[in-house]
Amino acid sequence: DVVLTQSPATLSVTPGERISLSCRASESVDTYLHWYQQKPNESPRLLIKYASQSISGIPSRFSGSGSGTDFTLSINGVELEDLSIYYCQQGNSLPFTFGSGTKLEIK
Amino acid sequence: QVTLKESGPGILQPSQTLSLTCSFSGFSLSTSGICVSWIRQPSGKGLEWLATICWEDSKGYNPSLKNRLTISKDTSNNQAFLKITSVDTADTAIYYCARSGYYSSYIPFAYWGQGTLVTVSS
Repeated sequence: DVVLTQSPATLSVTPGERISLSCRASESVDTYLHWYQQKPNESPRLLIKYASQSISGIPSRFSGSGSGTDFTLSINGVELEDLSIYYCQQGNSLPFTFGSGTKLEIK
Repeated sequence: QVTLKESGPGILQPSQTLSLTCSFSGFSLSTSGICVSWIRQPSGKGLEWLATICWEDSKGYNPSLKNRLTISKDTSNNQAFLKITSVDTADTAIYYCARSGYYSSYIPFAYWGQGTLVTVSS
């Protein structure tokens, strides 16, 4: 199985700050890496697909990059509503796997 | 508009079989390329993919649950199902169904249901 390691586990940020979250795969997943946002008591929401492709309705401050084994989710100007847990997920091979998540806390 | 809604027993006892239903609208599981998946999340923990069924009835299972999973569909009634046998307390979780797809490769989980909480307790 492909293991996805996310870092950091928790990130405390100031509104307006630009941040980057990391997702590292145990083997290459090409660009079959997707990012989800899960707000408290809500279902996950697809944020970025195929490493860097934007999703309709998602604010433009969210962007993704990477390929192979190293991926980054960036938020350019964090807002209070971004308080969430962010998960990466690989769709390159079965079984699909998720990272353990990065929890975003607002200072 | 794509919507999905999960339903289940709420609570069941160890060793019983868990039966879950995903009722959806806005798409058909008979349409080429469409798949429905089940994903679960224990309280305060991460996401675990369980199984996927696609339009042509292909299926994929998480091997970590060995032979306990069975996924199926009722195309006429826009429903997908998941059965988990021999449940124990470790199966206590929120269970989500999500729409995905397959077009030369799997597409991500773009639509999710609200989830249904399943508690396994004696």
